[in-house]
Amino acid sequence: DADVTQTPRNRITKTGKRIMLECSQTKGHDRMYWYRQDPGLGLRLIYYSFDVKDINKGEISDGYSVSRQAQAKFSLSLESAIPNQTALYFCATSSSGGANEQFFGPGTRLTVL
Amino acid sequence: AQSVSQHNHHVILSEAASLELGCNYSYGGTVNLFWYVQYPGQHLQLLLKYFSGDPLVKGIKGFEAEFIKSKFSFNLRKPSVQWSDTAEYFCAVSAYSGGGADGLTFGKGTHLIIQP
Repeated sequence: DADVTQTPRNRITKTGKRIMLECSQTKGHDRMYWYRQDPGLGLRLIYYSFDVKDINKGEISDGYSVSRQAQAKFSLSLESAIPNQTALYFCATSSSGGANEQFFGPGTRLTVL
Repeated sequence: AQSVSQHNHHVILSEAASLELGCNYSYGGTVNLFWYVQYPGQHLQLLLKYFSGDPLVKGIKGFEAEFIKSKFSFNLRKPSVQWSDTAEYFCAVSAYSGGGADGLTFGKGTHLIIQP
C-alpha cells in the first residue's frame, strides 16, 4: 500500500470552478506539504503544515487554500480555478525531527480549461 | 530565502558514459541537501541526501554526490549511466534551523536522456 496517496489522480475542470485535491498519509508524519510542478520550473511550495493547528504559506500560495483535517489528511483547494493553475500537484510528508527528508505522493494532474 | 540552481536543463548521454549534474545553492546557514529523481510518469523518489559528516554521499542505483561547502555545490555523479537512468533529476535544499525546516526549495530540474 502506498504511504502517501492523492485523489483524484487526474482532473479536468473549467475556469471559475471550485476544486479540492486531497492527500492522505499512513506514515505517521506530522508535517505535510503541497507543491506544484510546471515544466521547466521544477517544484514550488504552495502551503505546508507542521501539525493540525499550524498552517503556513509557501512561495506561491495566492489562489489556493488548505485544510489540515487530521494528522493524516491535508487538502488543497482552488476556490476559483484559472487556466494558469494547470499543473501537476504533489503532496509530501516528513517527520518533525531530523533533517526534513520528504516523501512524495503520486501527484494529481489538474487541467483548467 | 534559499535558492537552487541546476546548470543543465537537458542532458543527452550514451549508455556507459559518465554523468555529472551540477547544483548550486544560495544560503548562508546550515542546509540539508537532496537529489530526487522522477522517472517518466512517476512521483519523486529520493536518490540521496546530505545532512552532515562525510561530504561524499552515496545513494541508490550507483549515484553519489559531493557537498563542497566553499562552492555552495552539491553535484550529482554516476560513473556509468544506463538507459534506465532516463528521468528528470531535481536538486533540493532545506534550510535547517535545529527544530526542523520548512518546505524544500527545488531547482528547475535536469531532464536526462540516455541513448542506447
